[in-house]
Amino acid sequence: DVKVTQSSRYLVKRTGEKVFLECVQDMDHENMFWYRQDPGLGLRLIYFSYDVKMKEKGDIPEGYSVSREKKERFSLILESASTNQTSMYLCASTPWPGRNTEAFFGQGTRLTVV
Amino acid sequence: SQQGEEDPQALSIQEGENATMNCSYKTSINNLQWYRQNSGRGLVHLILIRSNEREKHSGRLRVTLDTSKKSSSLLITASRAADTASYFCATDARGGADGLTFGKGTHLIIQP
Repeated sequence: DVKVTQSSRYLVKRTGEKVFLECVQDMDHENMFWYRQDPGLGLRLIYFSYDVKMKEKGDIPEGYSVSREKKERFSLILESASTNQTSMYLCASTPWPGRNTEAFFGQGTRLTVV
Repeated sequence: SQQGEEDPQALSIQEGENATMNCSYKTSINNLQWYRQNSGRGLVHLILIRSNEREKHSGRLRVTLDTSKKSSSLLITASRAADTASYFCATDARGGADGLTFGKGTHLIIQP
């Protein structure tokens, strides 16, 4: 059974902390994505990567960075967490080239910044 | 910016009835996809329809695509309580490797 696994379902962090959200996929997919989901706003793309050590900004990259040291792992980093980053974070992956293929999602990480 | 916009935002129907959700988008696409999200969980892929297709079926799901109107509809027939979830349309307007663009979703409630 194919899987995208996010390291935490729920996370509570303090303002100013550095936060790491981890995502691992076992499907040998090239493309990986980080979205955040907020009520009334739907899913918005933060960053994506189509290869190891490659990263591209999505629609809302401010306040975030990413790391892709290995093909199967894509990390989202909040350099200094703020309360407006309280959200549901979703990781997804697709095989190259990504056209006409479904995206596989992790179960989501609900992050609360206090 | 949001590419897909679902309509209605929320829908409540009785078990056994059919549920129809609509999606509109703005730019040209290669395909349009529908996903389901159960409360507090990740998204699950339901169906993909390519731009040269007009209708597609999968079990109790029927999807239509009208590229001239830039719209799609998802029909769930003979609804069940387990169909209660949020449904999102997604387009590949960014380009396949650049991620999907999602709408804000329709929250469907099936009353037993």
